[in-house]
Amino acid sequence: GNSVTQMEGPVTLSEEAFLTINCTYTATGYPSLFWYVQYPGEGLQLLLKATKADDKGSNKGFEATYRKETTSFHLEKGSVQVSDSAVYFCALRREGNNRLAFGKGNQVVVIP
Amino acid sequence: NAGVTQTPKFQVLKTGQSMTLQCAQDMNHNSMYWYRQDPGMGLRLIYYSASEGTTDKGEVPNGYNVSRLNKREFSLRLESAAPSQTSVYFCASSEADRGGYGYTFGSGTRLTVV
Repeated sequence: GNSVTQMEGPVTLSEEAFLTINCTYTATGYPSLFWYVQYPGEGLQLLLKATKADDKGSNKGFEATYRKETTSFHLEKGSVQVSDSAVYFCALRREGNNRLAFGKGNQVVVIP
Repeated sequence: NAGVTQTPKFQVLKTGQSMTLQCAQDMNHNSMYWYRQDPGMGLRLIYYSASEGTTDKGEVPNGYNVSRLNKREFSLRLESAAPSQTSVYFCASSEADRGGYGYTFGSGTRLTVV
């Protein structure tokens, strides 16, 4: 079946540090891939997406590249801010399948 | 730009009580979903509605029922609340039930069952 795996555990880093959150997936065919962000007390918001291999999604300084050869969609940001503190979810959706499959999420805490 | 609206935002129930969580979207989306979010469990799909007039079970449907009242509204009902249903509930909608489309989420209902 379709599944998404995110790295275990929260991520704590200092302001202006480089952020990477790993995401790998299992799916048949060519799924679309997404990153969602959840700020404290709020619902999930779409951060970026990529719909085919080698596509790069980007938004608010975050980037992720759809790597079919490694079945990965790692999220990166070059210089994080305190306001980036949130939970980040990786997700996939297969063509013709109307349900997103979510990873368990990663808490990111940015310290001033 | 209302998007997906959920009511209520907070609720405390006693064990055995019933309640309905309301969800409405104003984006003319076809598909709607109910998730629950628990610490360490991520998001789990309770029920979904691919289009008006249809509903299907997700991963954790036991103890819940849903109604797709019309294209805009999708409600979740707890007939006899249990402490295990203490959670944050999110409603979401999607324009189309195919690959490239993501979801738009509501801001959630925080439910405590005592």
